[in-house]
Amino acid sequence: DTGVSQDPRHKITKRGQNVTFRCDPISEHNRLYWYRQTLGQGPEFLTYFQNEAQLEKSRLLSDRFSAERPKGSFSTLEIQRTEQGDSAMYLCASSSSTLRTLDHNEQFFGPGTRLTVL
Amino acid sequence: KQEVTQIPAALSVPEGENLVLNCSFTDSAIYNLQWFRQDPGKGLTSLLLIQSSQREQTSGRLNASLDKSSGRSTLYIAASQPGDSATYLCVRRDSNYQLIWGAGTKLIIKP
Repeated sequence: DTGVSQDPRHKITKRGQNVTFRCDPISEHNRLYWYRQTLGQGPEFLTYFQNEAQLEKSRLLSDRFSAERPKGSFSTLEIQRTEQGDSAMYLCASSSSTLRTLDHNEQFFGPGTRLTVL
Repeated sequence: KQEVTQIPAALSVPEGENLVLNCSFTDSAIYNLQWFRQDPGKGLTSLLLIQSSQREQTSGRLNASLDKSSGRSTLYIAASQPGDSATYLCVRRDSNYQLIWGAGTKLIIKP
C-alpha cells in the first residue's frame, strides 16, 4: 500500500494524559498536513510542513499541540494534557509541490486517527 | 468570512436514480474546488478537482461543475448504486494553501 498511513487508528485516553499520533505520507510527497474533524463537520486545518519545516499553524493549534517532521518523512502530532474537547478524528494528508512556493497540489488523505478523551 | 455550505446535510434516494449534490461558497476568488467522499474508517478519497479556469470535470458516473460567478458547484451522480453511499465533502482552495471545507452531505442509496 503506497497511500498515506496513520497510526493508531483509534485512541482512547483519560483527560489529562498525553497522546501522540503518527503519519507516514506518500514517499515522494514533500508536503504534509494535519487536520482535525469533529462529527458532522468538515476537516479543519491545523498545520502543514514542507519537508521538515513547519510553515504554518492554525490558531486552532493551542500550546498543548505540537507537531514535528524531523527528517521530512513521517510526522507526529502530540497533544499534551488532553481535554474532552480534543475528541475528534485527526487526519493527515500529503502532497507534492512544484517550484512555486504557493502551489499546493492535490492532497491525499490517510484514514485518520480517532481520539476519544474520557 | 469565507464559508462553504453544502445542502442538504443528508439525502436518501433509491438505487438507480440520478442525483445532484450542491455546494455554495462565498468569495469567487478561488484557486480550485474539490469533491471528496468520506467512508467511515477510511479517510477521504478525492473524486474530482476543478481548477478555477475550468467549468466541469467528469470521472465515470460523476460530473462536477463550477460556476464561480454564482459561487456554486454541483456534483452529479448518475445511476446511483448502494456503493455510492458515503459522505460527500466539497472543499475550496484559495490561492494560498488554505482549504475551506463544507460540512458534507451524507448520501444513502437504498437498494
